[in-house]
Amino acid sequence: DAGVTQSPTHLIKTRGQQVTLRCSPKSGHDTVSWYQQALGQGPQFIFQYYEEEERQRGNFPDRFSGHQFPNYSSELNVNALLLGDSALYLCASSPSLKGYYSPLHFGNGTRLTVT
Amino acid sequence: QKEVEQNSGPLSVPEGAIASLNCTYSDRGSQSFFWYRQYSGKSPELIMFIYSNGDKEDGRFTAQLNKASQYVSLLIRDSQPSDSATYLCAVRWDDKIIFGKGTRLHILP
Repeated sequence: DAGVTQSPTHLIKTRGQQVTLRCSPKSGHDTVSWYQQALGQGPQFIFQYYEEEERQRGNFPDRFSGHQFPNYSSELNVNALLLGDSALYLCASSPSLKGYYSPLHFGNGTRLTVT
Repeated sequence: QKEVEQNSGPLSVPEGAIASLNCTYSDRGSQSFFWYRQYSGKSPELIMFIYSNGDKEDGRFTAQLNKASQYVSLLIRDSQPSDSATYLCAVRWDDKIIFGKGTRLHILP
């Protein structure tokens, strides 16, 4: 049973460029959430996708956008990269968050470095 | 602004002792609570969840919830060096899960 898979594992980009990160959820999960984790900080909620729509969004600018496909996989896009976007980007999947117990299962993350 | 607060630590505990990790949250409408462990350079992994007031035990781990005080804690009994990690408290509000900054725990051999 494959868990949450993310690609790529590491990425180096230049300020101003655009980046796309990819995520495949755990089998049986239909909800995907994206988090940004800066060094020494907790994961910060970016947004959540369910049924191919953005359902919840954290306090992130419009430069951060996403998509969910019919097979529940998801992409995170970041435009006009800033040095401050350097972080570990975590994808987490869960069964539909309709019950109290719907914990997040995390992928290994994508380490983005912006130079 | 919904917030989850944790002492960043580091919290140093001798091997074999009880480690106590604490978390407070700002919104009484929170629905469920999670503790994740994160080793350096790795992704978070779920240890415990709790949604009713009181204690919940799983092996060496006990989660405690007090909704009136908006407080959740994690106790680790018989601490082992392998327990050295960052512990993240997470709270569910309106179908999204918000994390605290984490507490670094160091078990002293």
